[in-house]
Amino acid sequence: AQSVTQLDSQVPVFEEAPVELRCNYSSSVSVYLFWYVQYPNQGLQLLLKYLSGSTLVKGINGFEAEFNKSQTSFHLRKPSVHISDTAEYFCAVGSYGNKLVFGAGTILRVKS
Amino acid sequence: EPEVTQTPSHQVTQMGQEVILRCVPISNHLYFYWYRQILGQKVEFLVSFYNNEISEKSEIFDDQFSVERPDGSNFTLKIRSTKLEDSAMYFCASSEMGPNTEAFFGQGTRLTVV
Repeated sequence: AQSVTQLDSQVPVFEEAPVELRCNYSSSVSVYLFWYVQYPNQGLQLLLKYLSGSTLVKGINGFEAEFNKSQTSFHLRKPSVHISDTAEYFCAVGSYGNKLVFGAGTILRVKS
Repeated sequence: EPEVTQTPSHQVTQMGQEVILRCVPISNHLYFYWYRQILGQKVEFLVSFYNNEISEKSEIFDDQFSVERPDGSNFTLKIRSTKLEDSAMYFCASSEMGPNTEAFFGQGTRLTVV
């Protein structure tokens, strides 16, 4: 069975500071990894995905993530956050089946 | 830009009543999904649908739930007799291929059972 652990429920950070949102997964098969963002009162939007190839994945809005197979991690990073990045971020894992398994989410609060 | 559309955005229903949540997936997508998120909890997979049949369902998706694609555009989730614990945000999603391609999510329907 697959599972995803997001280690931080909330991450407060000042504007223009770097941020890392942590995600660890477990799976017995090859995985596909995703980060989704949910702004207040909106649906889930894909930030980036790892399917294969380069372990450093770049997404929208300046975010990137690195797939680390040995540490079973897929941490999300941004070198300089903006107020508009305040949202909830979800890490998810997919496989050969037909579903995504989500983590509990991390609320990123950017303060001025 | 194509998007997944869900209606209604918010529905309040009495316990024991039937509800139908509606979704219009992106037109060239072949895979359709329902997920739910109980307040303060994880987004959980309910069911996936492909080629006019359920391809996978979770243990949450019991006999109270059903899905249907009644025409070429709509994808519905029916809860036959709602319970208080069915109160949640329900997300519809669709993808062109399987879940290892990008799944596009709708805005969600907030279901409140009273």
